[in-house]
This record gives sequence, C-alpha cells and structure tokens, in this order.
Amino acid sequence: DQQVKQNSPSLSVQEGRISILNCDYTNSMFDYFLWYKKYPAEGPTFLISISSIKDKNEDGRFTVFLNKSAKHLSLHIVPSQPGDSAVYFCAASGRQGGKLIFGQGTELSVKP
Amino acid sequence: NAGVTQTPKFQVLKTGQSMTLQCAQDMNHNSMYWYRQDPGMGLRLIYYSASEGTTDKGEVPNGYNVSRLNKREFSLRLESAAPSQTSVYFCASSETRGNYGYTFGSGTRLTVV
Repeated sequence: DQQVKQNSPSLSVQEGRISILNCDYTNSMFDYFLWYKKYPAEGPTFLISISSIKDKNEDGRFTVFLNKSAKHLSLHIVPSQPGDSAVYFCAASGRQGGKLIFGQGTELSVKP
Repeated sequence: NAGVTQTPKFQVLKTGQSMTLQCAQDMNHNSMYWYRQDPGMGLRLIYYSASEGTTDKGEVPNGYNVSRLNKREFSLRLESAAPSQTSVYFCASSETRGNYGYTFGSGTRLTVV
C-alpha cells in the first residue's frame, strides 16, 4: 500500500522554464511534507518542506504547494537550471520529526 | 563535519552470507533510520531508532536486524543474504522534533548473487 505516490517517473524541461513535480498521498494523518533531491551515487538531501497548516512555502527558486482537500502537493522550480537535474522524492510524516514515508521519486532532466 | 558516514560503500555477497552495514553520525541527533532504495519503489523504511536504546520496525523489516550501539551508531545486519536484498541502503539521522528533515549518508550498494 503506497501511501505517498509520485506517478511520473520522469520529467524533461527546457532550461529557464518551470518544472512542476507532483505528489499524492492517501493518509489523512500526514501533517508534514518534504521534498528531497538526489544526485547519482549520493544520498538524498533536504530541499524544502511544508506543514499542513500552510498551503504554500517558498525558498528561492523552489515553491511547494499543498492542497489538503485533494491530498496533493507539488514542487515548482522556476527558472529550471541544468544543475537541477536529479531525482526528486516527496515524503510525508505524521508529526514533525517523525519517520518519513517516501514516494517513488521523479527523475528531472533540465536540458540546456 | 562528516554528517552521516556509511561503510562499506560497495559490497558483493553470496546467497546465505551475513554482513553488517555500519552507520555513524556526528550531529548529536537522537533518531536514526535505515532505508533501502529500489527502482520504481522509492525509499522504503527498514528499521528506525527514535532514540538511543530503542528500535522499531519500518515498512520492510523482514530479513534484517538492527543495533543502536550508542547515540552515534546504528548498524544494519543481514543474517542470511538473499538476492531480493540487492539494493542501495541509506542510513539517515534527524532531530526527534523540528522541521529539519533527515540527513542521509551516501549509501551502500549491496549485490547478493
């Protein structure tokens, strides 16, 4: 039972354009969501997070949107850069600091 | 700071062999975790330790054991390796509370033949 789902295994975007990565969840008890970025042969690194009391959180070029009624979150990267090419995982937790449940990941390719 | 250190980085085992994956963190974090990454499956939690002296099962604990040796170290043991345990294993640590997320190690690529 996949509680956190990323239905797009891959995404290709032109440099300078917007990248939108999507994530759906099924467990209504999740109240904290994070995005991680992973380069080959490295561990995932924390990118941005959002609490369920918010619907948007922004950090530079990265913005995460949360739609609780639809149990859906998305990560927007504007403008996309070739260095953003990586696998992006969304993750959810039932409480701050609790164990994370990860999605399958989406591989983003930003072409120059 | 080294962050989270995993050893070894690569390992090939024969079916039935045993081995221990080591993990150490130097950030004074209370919680530690072991995940495995498989194509199309994302990161799945094997075991975690919310604090020193405690361990709990995650989503896929079968075939594994763990030891929280002290606050810094959390090891993962495969008693009798199977080809289905071929994967990339990641150790992570975090504060028990707060929105800092996890810090991951660079992973151990394990192949069981």
